[in-house]
Amino acid sequence: NAGVTQTPKFQVLKTGQSMTLQCAQDMNHEYMSWYRQDPGMGLRLIHYSVGAGITDQGEVPNGYNVSRSTTEDFPLRLLSAAPSQTSVYFCASSYSGEPGWEAFFGQGTRLTVV
Amino acid sequence: GENVEQHPSTLSVQEGDSAVIKCTYSDSASNYFPWYKQELGKRPQLIIDIRSNVGEKKDQRIAVTLNKTAKHFSLHITETQPEDSAVYFCAANAGNEKLTFGTGTRLTIIP
Repeated sequence: NAGVTQTPKFQVLKTGQSMTLQCAQDMNHEYMSWYRQDPGMGLRLIHYSVGAGITDQGEVPNGYNVSRSTTEDFPLRLLSAAPSQTSVYFCASSYSGEPGWEAFFGQGTRLTVV
Repeated sequence: GENVEQHPSTLSVQEGDSAVIKCTYSDSASNYFPWYKQELGKRPQLIIDIRSNVGEKKDQRIAVTLNKTAKHFSLHITETQPEDSAVYFCAANAGNEKLTFGTGTRLTIIP
């Protein structure tokens, strides 16, 4: 049981480049989300999904796109990377979006935009 | 939307002493309050949580208290050990599927 798997673990991008951060879970969880973690700012929600085909914006969605074509996968796309997107990104999943279900996090992707 | 404030941002405690981290939330509809621990370079992991219909919950050396009237909740760690050194995050779920996190507390246990 792998849990939540993120790839890559590290990435360096040039300003303006695009890329996709991958997230996959094998726990048959309905709810998946993406957070970014910056020093002194905690974990901020970027986008989330309550099931395949359904996505919605979080607190800081600008510059990011998501899709959820399957229950297992929830990729995060950066269309035109900016230095302000330098951060550590975490994907998380839980059985349900209802309050009280534990969120399981991936190991994170450290992204640097130069 | 929900706003969660967490204090202190850093905390140093002698090994064996207790540590307390406090959080306040803004949305009275919030009904679920988890605490996550993140060791250096690792992913956040749930250590304890509490629902709004409960005032206190304990799990060995860890306890969480909730005051719904004042809209604040706290994490208590007793008999601290070196492995308790980490960053701790509180969070609140405003009655929907979104979790709002506090800004984190870096706890250092001094041997």
